[in-house]
Amino acid sequence: GAGVSQSPSNKVTEKGKDVELRCDPISGHTALYWYRQSLGQGLEFLIYFQGNSAPDKSGLPSDRFSAERTGGSVSTLTIQRTQQEDSAVYLCASSSPPSTDTQYFGPGTRLTVL
Amino acid sequence: GQQLNQSPQSMFIQEGEDVSMNCTSSSIFNTWLWYKQDPGEGPVLLIALYKAGELTSNGRLTAQFGITRKDSFLNISASIPSDVGIYFCAGYDTGTASKLTFGTGTRLQVTL
Repeated sequence: GAGVSQSPSNKVTEKGKDVELRCDPISGHTALYWYRQSLGQGLEFLIYFQGNSAPDKSGLPSDRFSAERTGGSVSTLTIQRTQQEDSAVYLCASSSPPSTDTQYFGPGTRLTVL
Repeated sequence: GQQLNQSPQSMFIQEGEDVSMNCTSSSIFNTWLWYKQDPGEGPVLLIALYKAGELTSNGRLTAQFGITRKDSFLNISASIPSDVGIYFCAGYDTGTASKLTFGTGTRLQVTL
């Protein structure tokens, strides 16, 4: 079956512009996660969805970052007024109870802010 | 945010050699996971460990969940060129109910 997909694969934007990153989780997976990976670093948790609600937004670095999920499926991560320090790979993962700890990752979106 | 301490940061080995890497934390985790990430790809799950002291194998990979629940190691036997990549450990605490905490990664490079 299809895995987690993300689009676009690469995004180059100018400082100050808004960007939207999309994640399509594995069909039937109720949990969805966003992580950020800076160059040469590990993964940094951003936000977690269970269904359409986000019980844990603790990792969002600022109020310029927001995310939503609709229909218990697709999720969009929005970064407003992008800054150069937002440049990173944004990874999405999904999982399904009871194995909520076993997360399956998408290929990521590489964001470059000029 | 919290990260797990993973070592070594990088290693060069010859094809056929065995590899060992480990991960330590100041916090207890209920699940330890090991992922491999190839360039331009997302991490792929290799092994999941659910019980303290558990030793699990997946082909040439063997991983153990430390008895204190604060550490884990991953061994790769008889390395081959396709083992090249970055290996991440990750811990899951049911108390957080959501996120994985990732290690800093071990970059493995194999010389022929």
